Amino acid sequence: NAGVMQNPRHLVRRRGQEARLRCSPMKGHSHVYWYRQLPEEGLKFMVYLQKENIIDESGMPKERFSAEFPKEGPSILRIQQVVRGDSAAYFCASSPGRGAHGYTFGSGTRLTVV
Amino acid sequence: AQRVTQPEKLLSVFKGAPVELKCNYSYSGSPELFWYVQYSRQRLQLLLRHISRESIKGFTADLNKGETSFHLKKPFAQEEDSAMYYCALNLNFNKFYFGSGTKLNVKP
Repeated sequence: NAGVMQNPRHLVRRRGQEARLRCSPMKGHSHVYWYRQLPEEGLKFMVYLQKENIIDESGMPKERFSAEFPKEGPSILRIQQVVRGDSAAYFCASSPGRGAHGYTFGSGTRLTVV
Repeated sequence: AQRVTQPEKLLSVFKGAPVELKCNYSYSGSPELFWYVQYSRQRLQLLLRHISRESIKGFTADLNKGETSFHLKKPFAQEEDSAMYYCALNLNFNKFYFGSGTKLNVKP
């Protein structure tokens, strides 16, 4: 079991471009979570998804950010028209069901906006 | 509002010395608390959770509801314990609130 796979590990984008971050959950996990870590801060919850459904997006910025977890393929966190303030590490986690049991984090994608 | 506070950004100790990483939380209900560790260049890993009341790698943490604390302790630090440590509060079974982390540096 390869664990939670995130790619790319590092992503550089110019201001105004789009960033797409991918997350493949662990085998058998149908719940996916995205977190953002700004420099010198802890991880902050962004969104919780199950296949084809957004369950909780209370941590998502209102504009430019979106997330999906299609029936087939990885979960995608999409940031449109990136700005310098979007530079951060974005972590994905997955779990087999509701609850903290089996909650596993990926290695993260470090986004740098230049 | 729910919040997790880790007051120390950096904690340096010598090998063999006791370690205590502080964590305080703010939550009016029954919390579910965790400690996560991130070694250099590796992913975040679960260290322990208060429900299981176990000791992992010599670390323990006791939930003190009166003081709303969940401090992480180890009687004798090892160099391989050097890492970032995050205290986290799990709510509604689906998301964590993390503290800002404490970097533990164990000197030889």
